[in-house]
Amino acid sequence: GAGVSQSPSNKVTEKGKDVELRCDPISGHTALYWYRQSLGQGLEFLIYFQGNSAPDKSGLPSDRFSAERTGGSVSTLTIQRTQQEDSAVYLCAIASAHNSPLHFGNGTRLTVT
Amino acid sequence: TQLLEQSPQFLSIQEGENLTVYCNSSSVFSSLQWYRQEPGEGPVLLVTVVTGGEVKKLKRLTFQFGDARKDSSLHITAAQPGDTGLYLCAASQLGYQLIWGAGTKLIIKP
Repeated sequence: GAGVSQSPSNKVTEKGKDVELRCDPISGHTALYWYRQSLGQGLEFLIYFQGNSAPDKSGLPSDRFSAERTGGSVSTLTIQRTQQEDSAVYLCAIASAHNSPLHFGNGTRLTVT
Repeated sequence: TQLLEQSPQFLSIQEGENLTVYCNSSSVFSSLQWYRQEPGEGPVLLVTVVTGGEVKKLKRLTFQFGDARKDSSLHITAAQPGDTGLYLCAASQLGYQLIWGAGTKLIIKP
């Protein structure tokens, strides 16, 4: 989507490997979200970053998942020791303020074999 | 746990027909957004409704927010193949968290 670049667009990995997903937003958006979407379903919240505040990690499904945002811009989502149930599309979204509409990237489709 | 129920989950109709998608909850929301998602892309915002009873139109799409701000509907008139996609509703209660519906997969057959 316009304004948010996610890479890679597709990732196939073997069970047990670590993966790193990247979200590169345009500047000027302080809020950044990570969501997970399984097979054309609704969105599952993972983590939220807002400026310099501590991130809301309440949606991370296990301690294998972690995310960071460097310099208030680029964010990476890391999944350690991937499992087959981690297979999904991982979407990054930005907002200009905490209650503004979201602008999404095109996602990373992760397949764990 | 707050839920946002969308119905129907799947709808396949012929070009030119009308349809309505519903998004319902028992909770009151400050605003509700509708998104459309096409394969391989992220959701794209269609509209935000804020006021109870509000009606917004986007070409052939009509969005309504319930009077009590607990539900919303999306009506498409004379559907076109280009309307095909996954329609998602998402509701907010003033905070940064959005509650998402499971989506309605819409297919418009030519």
